[in-house]
Formats: sequence, structure tokens, C-alpha cells
Amino acid sequence: SQQGEEDPQALSIQEGENATMNCSYKTSINNLQWYRQNSGRGLVHLILIRSNEREKHSGRLRVTLDTSKKSSSLLITASRAADTASYFCATDAIGGGANSKLTFGKGITLSVRP
Amino acid sequence: DADVTQTPRNRITKTGKRIMLECSQTKGHDRMYWYRQDPGLGLRLIYYSFDVKDINKGEISDGYSVSRQAQAKFSLSLESAIPNQTALYFCATSDTSAYYGYTFGSGTRLTVV
Repeated sequence: SQQGEEDPQALSIQEGENATMNCSYKTSINNLQWYRQNSGRGLVHLILIRSNEREKHSGRLRVTLDTSKKSSSLLITASRAADTASYFCATDAIGGGANSKLTFGKGITLSVRP
Repeated sequence: DADVTQTPRNRITKTGKRIMLECSQTKGHDRMYWYRQDPGLGLRLIYYSFDVKDINKGEISDGYSVSRQAQAKFSLSLESAIPNQTALYFCATSDTSAYYGYTFGSGTRLTVV
């Protein structure tokens, strides 16, 4: 069963605009991660935010985490056509302990128009 | 060479056939995972292994088996393939902390006819 659910399912923006993608989850987590997938290829890890962190930056990426609302957002600033891809959130749920593993959402398809 | 290599990249097989998908890694990671991806369903965990002697079922293990032959090798078998196992299969690895996330292979596209 999916722990994380991304919103929206699909997003189309113009190059240069910002893209905001959201993820909600159900159970308490150790950390939340965002991944990117270019069409038909393997997922690439973008950023990880721990449960005790509220915001993290990496280049043009900004991730926020609100554990009280069980939600996260991924912001891509000044988007480029090359950002066109699917984006997934993944959660590492508390309780897994040494056996923790990631549960992925269904993904968001981002299209950036040149 | 890729950090996580999956073979084959594409495979078409017939219903009832046994097929093995292979994964090898050069990351030196202890943990390895097999996921399948279906359109609209995201990634679902099939099996995972935290070290050579450890094998665990994921949420959709029925119809699949795995073997961890070495720290670097983790193979997935479909004992008797059926059409609804047609999917994109990914192998992934992580270190014990998984703080740097998972490293994924490029995937195997399997079609069962």
C-alpha cells in the first residue's frame, strides 16, 4: 500500500516558472525523500529531509516538511525543459527500525514547456 | 559502468516460463531491493535483503522469489510467469543508514505474453 500520495498527478508549466509538488502521508516517518524519473529510466535520488527538519535546499530544489500535517512539498524554481520528468515522494516510516525501507507514492508527471 | 546494473534491459517471455532478472552493484551497499512499477500504481516493493543472509518479503511477493548470491548480487525470479507480471522492474541499493537515498538500476522491462 502506498504511504505517500502526491498532488497534483500531473503538472504543466512554462519554462522559467516555479513548480510546486505536494506529498501527503499517513503514518509517522523517520524521513521523507524525493526522487526523479526520466521516462522509463531508473529513479534518481534528489533530496532527503528528516522528521526533525522543516526545510531543506539543494540547488534549485526546496523541500519543506510539516509533520503535524503529514505533508511535504517540493519546489523547483526557474524550471527548465530538462526538468520534465516524473517525481516521486518516498517515506521511511517509524517503526521499521533496523528493517526500515521506503514506500513510494504514485508520482507526479511534470511537463515544462519551452 | 553503472553503479547498479540490471540485466536484461528488455525481455519478452511466454506464460508459464521461468525467468530470472539479475542485479549487480558496485556501490558496496549492504541493502538491496526489488520493486516493480506499473502505470498509475507507482513502485511497489517485491523483496528486499539487508545482507547476504537476510531475505524479506515486500508487499507483493507472491509469484516471485529472490536469491542474494553475494553482497553485490541480488536476483529476482518469476517461477511461472503470468501476463499480469508484465511491468518495469527496478533493483535498488542503499547503505545501512539510507541517508543518501537509494541508488536505482535502469530497470528491466518485462513483457509476459
